[in-house]
Amino acid sequence: GNSVTQMEGPVTLSEEAFLTINCTYTATGYPSLFWYVQYPGEGLQLLLKATKADDKGSNKGFEATYRKETTSFHLEKGSVQVSDSAVYFCALRGNYGQNFVFGPGTRLSVLP
Amino acid sequence: DTEVTQTPKHLVMGMTNKKSLKCEQHMGHRAMYWYKQKAKKPPELMFVYSYEKLSINESVPSRFSPECPNSSLLNLHLHALQPEDSALYLCASSHWTGKFFGPGTRLTVL
Repeated sequence: GNSVTQMEGPVTLSEEAFLTINCTYTATGYPSLFWYVQYPGEGLQLLLKATKADDKGSNKGFEATYRKETTSFHLEKGSVQVSDSAVYFCALRGNYGQNFVFGPGTRLSVLP
Repeated sequence: DTEVTQTPKHLVMGMTNKKSLKCEQHMGHRAMYWYKQKAKKPPELMFVYSYEKLSINESVPSRFSPECPNSSLLNLHLHALQPEDSALYLCASSHWTGKFFGPGTRLTVL
């Protein structure tokens, strides 16, 4: 079945540092890929998405590129802020109407 | 309107109580979901409604009873819950552009 693997957290960075959160997936066909962010005490917010190979999703300074050859969708940001502290979930939706599969989540803490 | 709303934000109930969680969206999405999220874990799918009909029940105990009165509303009726049911309950709706979550109801069962 489909699955998503994320790097183990927590990740702790200083403000203005470069962020990478790795995400790899296993799926048949051509899934759509998503990053969600969950701030403390809140629900999940869709951060960005990509629906086909080589697509780049971007939002709020975050980027991720759909790499079919490496089955990856790594999240990056050039300069993190304290307000980026949250849990980040990578997810996929299969292209045969299967439901969402979430990764385990990566907790990011950004220190001033 | 591009959001999913949920009420109440917090709920504390005893094991003999009956309560309901409510979810609403006005984006015209025809698929709606209930998820349960425990601390430090990803959301777990409970129910899926497609065009107001229950299409997926992920072996959820009968003390959770979903209802979809119309295309904009989704309820989750709770009865005789256990302390281990304490969690964040998330509603979501989806379209081809993605899945959109509400802020959740933080449920505590005493």
